[in-house]
Amino acid sequence: DTGVSQDPRHKITKRGQNVTFRCDPISEHNRLYWYRQTLGQGPEFLTYFQNEAQLEKSRLLSDRFSAERPKGSFSTLEIQRTEQGDSAMYLCASSLPGPTREQFFGPGTRLTVL
Amino acid sequence: QKEVEQNSGPLSVPEGAIASLNCTYSDRGSQSFFWYRQYSGKSPELIMFIYSNGDKEDGRFTAQLNKASQYVSLLIRDSQPSDSATYLCAVKSEYGNKLVFGAGTILRVKS
Repeated sequence: DTGVSQDPRHKITKRGQNVTFRCDPISEHNRLYWYRQTLGQGPEFLTYFQNEAQLEKSRLLSDRFSAERPKGSFSTLEIQRTEQGDSAMYLCASSLPGPTREQFFGPGTRLTVL
Repeated sequence: QKEVEQNSGPLSVPEGAIASLNCTYSDRGSQSFFWYRQYSGKSPELIMFIYSNGDKEDGRFTAQLNKASQYVSLLIRDSQPSDSATYLCAVKSEYGNKLVFGAGTILRVKS
């Protein structure tokens, strides 16, 4: 399978715990994006990497959220001190460079904070 | 005003009919427009993209773009029950990299 992969697919945690999600983009894609989607809404942009550089972050990405892409390949998204409001589907997408390039999404990680 | 607006639906059409999904956007600098299909509990799947004014056809799908009216639509011909899903409109600005999504339109195709 050469699509975007994400791990884990589901995560249940207790409020206050830290969680980390992983995304592996399509191999030739140097751009990687994280989005968050809650029920009944479209995905909301969180952050974007070109290779290993984090080039844009949304105001939604509070200081409890951090994302990395250390070698320009896979990326991790960590949420510290989780809150119930963090419960959502976290989606990763990747694309080739260029302003008109399509973004392809992974299966997502569904986070439930109890 | 939301940046990308869609009628939430549900839009119900009989099998074999044409489904018409609409989207308006507020940023006149928007350059790229995408339609994604999302089944319940799954991630968005890219169906169509369009950059130029006019129509773009791909199989049963036609995307239509009118930048002057800031309007983009998706037509699904010969609708099938398997087309029942939420359709997300997404917009990207000329210099931006992020997609801005609407909340989606629920489509139900009745057999």
